[in-house]
Amino acid sequence: DTEVTQTPKHLVMGMTNKKSLKCEQHMGHRAMYWYKQKAKKPPELMFVYSYEKLSINESVPSRFSPECPNSSLLNLHLHALQPEDSALYLCASSQDMAQGIMNEQFFGPGTRLTVL
Amino acid sequence: GESVGLHLPTLSVQEGDNSIINCAYSNSASDYFIWYKQESGKGPQFIIDIRSNMDKRQGQRVTVLLNKTVKHLSLQIAATQPGDSAVYFCAENRRAGGTSYGKLTFGQGTILTVHP
Repeated sequence: DTEVTQTPKHLVMGMTNKKSLKCEQHMGHRAMYWYKQKAKKPPELMFVYSYEKLSINESVPSRFSPECPNSSLLNLHLHALQPEDSALYLCASSQDMAQGIMNEQFFGPGTRLTVL
Repeated sequence: GESVGLHLPTLSVQEGDNSIINCAYSNSASDYFIWYKQESGKGPQFIIDIRSNMDKRQGQRVTVLLNKTVKHLSLQIAATQPGDSAVYFCAENRRAGGTSYGKLTFGQGTILTVHP
């Protein structure tokens, strides 16, 4: 299995809602990532987990809360979002960061989020 | 500031032609580079990567060239096909403190359109 899966594909939420995005991979990768991508822009890194521990937070607002329940799953909990948070949210995984060697990141298809 | 950028935002070619997409980077400490292809409604798809100790790497119909002297990266696609139409992103990994943190920074992207 060489896939990163993300659910849901589309999500519409109000500014007072709480929702979660889910990401799963079964490639045995130990690093997982959340990116945000606005239309016609490149992906921007939000969070990195390495061995289920948060290793990078790119100064993301606290209304975005990541969680890594186990080595295969990555969640992004959303609360009190703003309309400008509407974007494509991408999850990615890579083999291992612990040895300091960069490996290719495999991306999921993304969740298209609309905040009303 | 430091950035990864592209010289041309759009590229139109005829089917069967060779395509060249360019990317400039400014951080001489970057040690790993990746090219991604992103089709509409999908996540970025890995095409090819290259480490800073190499200057050329070939894949199936694709070649990546790295010129560290002028901090330039290019992606060559041979015999371009309509299915190659997509946005192409270069990405660099910037080392910090001797450790590779898995922090990919993406360029702005080039839209490749292949006409039959």
